[in-house]
Formats: sequence, structure tokens, C-alpha cells
Amino acid sequence: SQTIHQWPATLVQPVGSPLSLECTVEGTSNPNLYWYRQAAGRGLQLLFYSVGIGQISSEVPQNLSASRPQDRQFILSSKKLLLSDSGFYLCAWSRQGAWGEAFFGQGTRLTVV
Amino acid sequence: DQQVKQNSPSLSVQEGRISILNCDYTNSMFDYFLWYKKYPAEGPTFLISISSIKDKNEDGRFTVFLNKSAKHLSLHIVPSQPGDSAVYFCAALRNGYALNFGKGTSLLVTP
Repeated sequence: SQTIHQWPATLVQPVGSPLSLECTVEGTSNPNLYWYRQAAGRGLQLLFYSVGIGQISSEVPQNLSASRPQDRQFILSSKKLLLSDSGFYLCAWSRQGAWGEAFFGQGTRLTVV
Repeated sequence: DQQVKQNSPSLSVQEGRISILNCDYTNSMFDYFLWYKKYPAEGPTFLISISSIKDKNEDGRFTVFLNKSAKHLSLHIVPSQPGDSAVYFCAALRNGYALNFGKGTSLLVTP
């Protein structure tokens, strides 16, 4: 069966510090991978998606970047965090060519102080 | 620009009654729609979906209706149960992989 791992679960970082959130998927190959953010009082916002290694599409311009160094690994990064980067970050995957459901990780609660 | 809109941030329904959650979209390129359920501090879980070639899909107590001409879909939960209390997200798919979510509707089912 497929599983998705996302870590850490919670993170408190000072403004200006770097960020690296990691997500890995097991039990499938060549998945579509996604990073979402849920800011306080707001819905789920798609940040990045990837259909293959090294292929990253950004949905919104921002202080964050994403990379996919391996087929089942998706990393969300920032060189310098802003207060506005605080939120609940979710990694997700879906099958290539499949219409529909994405499977989400448990999320990372990021607080920038 | 919010292409998927859930205009009701919250909804309260009595146990046993029908819950109706609404969703509107603006992008006519969306061709697959999904509903997710989310509890606090957890990732969303898939609930039900519908292709744009259909107008209704049913799964147990959950039914999703799609009105393409109005760019509107709705999720009906009948009968509602206290365990259904959660945030429900409407999502739309384009190009097969880019999910766009609405802001969610918080459903509270009271005993």
C-alpha cells in the first residue's frame, strides 16, 4: 500500500532563518507531488506541483521554492522565512494520469516568530 | 484569484437532517471535482468526486451534484451525523493533476 510521510510535524523558526520540509511517498512510482498551505482562516492554497523529477510548477509567486531530487521525494524550502510564511503545510501525491484523489500527509505546522 | 469558491464559511445542522455544502467555480477548464473532509491538524481525506460528464454521483450518505452551466456543485449528506463535523473542501482538477481548493466550509452537526 502507498504511504506518504511528511516531517517535521511542528516547527518554530525565527524570521530570516531557512526552511526545509521534506515529504516522501512509498509504495508507488512516478507520482504527482504537491505542496499546499493552509494559512490561518484561509483555505488550502496550492503552492507547487511536480509531475516528475526536476519538474516543478509554481502556482503562486512567493518566498518559497520546491525541489524534487528523487522520484518520490518532494522538498519545500525557503532561504529566509517571513512572518507571513506561518501556516499549515501539506504534502500530497496522486497517481499519474489518474483523475482525482490526492492523498495527503499529516501536515507540518510552521510558526515563524 | 480564487477559482474555486465556497461562500459559506460555516454551517450548522441538526443530527439526522440534510447537510448541503455548496461550491462555485470560475474556470471552465475544470473537468473533475472532488470533496475532501478535514479534521484539525490533519491532512484532508478524499470523500467523493464527480466527472464533468456526470451531474450526480452517490456514495452512501454522500451525494455530489454538478451543474456545469451554472458552474456549481454541491455535496449533500443525508442523514447528517455528529461525526461528520469537520471542514469540507471543494476541489477542482484541470490538466489531470493540478488541484484547486476552495476555502472550506466548517460543518457542525449537533445532536
